[in-house]
Amino acid sequence: EVQLVESGGGLVQPGGSLRLSCAASGFTFSSYEMNWVRQAPGKGLEWVSYISSSGSTIYYADSVKGRFTISRDNAKNSLYLQMNSLRAEDTAVYYCARAFLDTAMVRSLDYWGQGTLVTVSS
Amino acid sequence: DIQMTQSPSSLSASVGDRVTITCRASQSISSYLNWYQQKPGKAPKLLIYAASSLQSGVPSRFSGSGSGTDFTLTISSLQPEDFATYYCQQSYSTSITFGQGTRLEIK
Repeated sequence: EVQLVESGGGLVQPGGSLRLSCAASGFTFSSYEMNWVRQAPGKGLEWVSYISSSGSTIYYADSVKGRFTISRDNAKNSLYLQMNSLRAEDTAVYYCARAFLDTAMVRSLDYWGQGTLVTVSS
Repeated sequence: DIQMTQSPSSLSASVGDRVTITCRASQSISSYLNWYQQKPGKAPKLLIYAASSLQSGVPSRFSGSGSGTDFTLTISSLQPEDFATYYCQQSYSTSITFGQGTRLEIK
């Protein structure tokens, strides 16, 4: 059974840092692209970042570029999101999500973790 | 970034109704369109990928159609467990974007 379990969320002051982790199991982690998606309280879904299966290709949303860093450790079946210079508007539930590529090379997010809440407040 | 606009933003319907949700992209995205269902306090669940392919395990009352800029998600006969929020999402661009969501409520 595919499982994604996020951890590392919590309360942090504006300007602070936090590192999120996502532990993967039930599939060959090193074969899959991964993403972080967030959801502010009462709001919609916002994609945050993407990393290829090898870690060689990375993309970020403009809203986090230069502040957040995505990484992965395939030996530990783990995905990470280092978040620096946090702002109040970064307050959200952060989900890790596995990317599925179909035969037509259309990417979708087929498995999601339960999410971890990050609150940025003084 | 490619903007995704869903309509309506909210919808009231009854069990057994046929419901259609529309998603429009700000530019052509071919069939790079996915649909998700999210219930309160839960993670999103993939329903439809590549505009019209049903994800494994998803009931056949869900269907998707469209290509280019206009897409639809149809639920043929609403069940009590279908009341949730639905999101479209484009993966044509490396910068993924979601629609604002459609909240489906019980009438």
